[in-house]
Amino acid sequence: GAVVSQHPSRVICKSGTSVKIECRSLDFQATTMFWYRQFPKQSLMLMATSNEGSKATYEQGVEKDKFLINHASLTLSTLTVTSAHPEDSSFYICSARGQGHNSPLHFGNGTRLTVT
Amino acid sequence: TQLLEQSPQFLSIQEGENLTVYCNSSSVFSSLQWYRQEPGEGPVLLVTVVTGGEVKKLKRLTFQFGDARKDSSLHITAAQTGDTGLYLCAGGGNNAGNMLTFGGGTRLMVKP
Repeated sequence: GAVVSQHPSRVICKSGTSVKIECRSLDFQATTMFWYRQFPKQSLMLMATSNEGSKATYEQGVEKDKFLINHASLTLSTLTVTSAHPEDSSFYICSARGQGHNSPLHFGNGTRLTVT
Repeated sequence: TQLLEQSPQFLSIQEGENLTVYCNSSSVFSSLQWYRQEPGEGPVLLVTVVTGGEVKKLKRLTFQFGDARKDSSLHITAAQTGDTGLYLCAGGGNNAGNMLTFGGGTRLMVKP
């Protein structure tokens, strides 16, 4: 079955530094990947839609200069949290959709970011 | 904006009991998925329903898609402690990015 790999699974960084999270589709090509943020005991909030070869589409309220998304190939999208602050601490999850309009999303295992 | 409302938000039951989780919207969805998520992990797909009125069974789990494709339900028979987790419904609309809209989630705890 389709697998999405997300790395790292956990990261702790100091305030002011930047963190890059990778999302890879392992056995299928994903022209579109999605980045979500999840607060404790809450549902997933879509941050942005990552499109291969073009700029990402950000949801309202998400700062594009703070959360940089690069989708350089059909199997890799990256999310960089720039100048991280403690309030950026969260669980970040990526997903990718297989081909076909009704194809389900396959999720990575998430990245727990802690900014100290 | 397509919105999905899930109910209940929290559910705590004893092992062996039955339960139903609901996912409702005023919008029509081309498909609807149910996911289960455990702490510290990404959501795992349980089922996709695409046809109005469709019923799918996965062992003790029964999923139904409403006739008008605006709502869905998940019924668990004889719940087990291993069913504990966050259950999420997500609807796929006819948008360019094939973006999913997620419900708020139902946190289920099954006590022994």
